[in-house]
Amino acid sequence: GDSVTQMEGPVTLSEEAFLTINCTYTATGYPSLFWYVQYPGEGLQLLLKATKADDKGSNKGFEATYRKETTSFHLEKGSVQVSDSAVYFCGLSSNTGKLIFGQGTTLQVKP
Amino acid sequence: GAVVSQHPSRVICKSGTSVKIECRSLDFQATTMFWYRQFPKQSLMLMATSNEGSKATYEQGVEKDKFLINHASLTLSTLTVTSAHPEDSSFYICSARDLRTGAYEQYFGPGTRLTVT
Repeated sequence: GDSVTQMEGPVTLSEEAFLTINCTYTATGYPSLFWYVQYPGEGLQLLLKATKADDKGSNKGFEATYRKETTSFHLEKGSVQVSDSAVYFCGLSSNTGKLIFGQGTTLQVKP
Repeated sequence: GAVVSQHPSRVICKSGTSVKIECRSLDFQATTMFWYRQFPKQSLMLMATSNEGSKATYEQGVEKDKFLINHASLTLSTLTVTSAHPEDSSFYICSARDLRTGAYEQYFGPGTRLTVT
């Protein structure tokens, strides 16, 4: 079945450091790919998305490119801030309409 | 746009009682809503999918008689945890999707923290 694998956390960075959170997927067909962010005690917010191969999703300085050849959708940001501290979930929308999530990666940014 | 609300945000109940959680799409019509459960420091586990006007589809291992889902209108779905027990304590999150737009993303509510004593 469809699945999503994320790099394990927690990831601890200093402010202004470069961020990469790896995400790979297994799916039949051509899923849409998403990154969601969850701040403590809150629900999930859509961070960015890509619906087809080679699409690049971007928002708030974060980027991810849909790579079909490597089945990846890695999240990157050039300069993280303390306010970026949260849990990040990679997900895909399967052909059943369900969202399949990775296990989540906790990011902690220190001043 | 695409705001989803949940009520209540936190609820504490005694073992054996039932609790109802509401999920509303505020500015769009949600043809499909999803209910998730999240344990501390873990990912979201899909419990069920509900389509407006029809019965919910439950994921394997989820007791449909314990977790009653009603999607009575295009803007409201409810999850009722019946005869709650301490092991039902968790963070419950709903999401909504408007299939008519053809969009694939789901919009999530802020979650409801249930504590059963």
